Amino acid sequence: AQSVTQLDSQVPVFEEAPVELRCNYSSSVSVYLFWYVQYPNQGLQLLLKYLSGSTLVKGINGFEAEFNKSQTSFHLRKPSVHISDTAEYFCAVSKTGGFKTIFGAGTRLFVKA
Amino acid sequence: SQTIHQWPATLVQPVGSPLSLECTVEGTSNPNLYWYRQAAGRGLQLLFYSVGIGQISSEVPQNLSASRPQDRQFILSSKKLLLSDSGFYLCAWSEGLGTGEEKLFFGSGTQLSVL
Repeated sequence: AQSVTQLDSQVPVFEEAPVELRCNYSSSVSVYLFWYVQYPNQGLQLLLKYLSGSTLVKGINGFEAEFNKSQTSFHLRKPSVHISDTAEYFCAVSKTGGFKTIFGAGTRLFVKA
Repeated sequence: SQTIHQWPATLVQPVGSPLSLECTVEGTSNPNLYWYRQAAGRGLQLLFYSVGIGQISSEVPQNLSASRPQDRQFILSSKKLLLSDSGFYLCAWSEGLGTGEEKLFFGSGTQLSVL
């Protein structure tokens, strides 16, 4: 079975500072990796995904993530955050050849002025 | 374009009452459909998914059930709600044959409070 661990439940950061949201996964089979964002009182939307190829994946809103197979990590980064990036971020994994996507517990990003 | 509708947005129900949450998808056919529950500090928990009419896979044994009476309709039900059923319920859909690459599209959620 697959599992996802998001190492930080909350990350406060000042506007225009860089941020990294950490994600580790566990799986005995090949997986695909995703980051989703949830703004208050809304559903989730996809930020980016890693399927194969280059380990650095770029997504929407200036976010990027790096897949590290040896460390089983898929950390999300942004070089300079905005107030509007305040949201909850979810790392997710799905195994190749399956319908299920498993989510982590989420990391709440607070961007302060 | 595809859209997903989920209602109601907010629901307050007494313990022991029944539940019916409905989700419909427009603009696509034969979608994969999902119900997730989001509880504080626990992320999203996959409850049910369906790859076709009448086909339901249950992920977590619990007080809830799901049905898919039509291609683009997914219903979450309970005969008797428990306090522990409180949470934010999200419906989602995806296209594809289950390669694992599929992107999920989420509805806006239902906040259920069982009192």
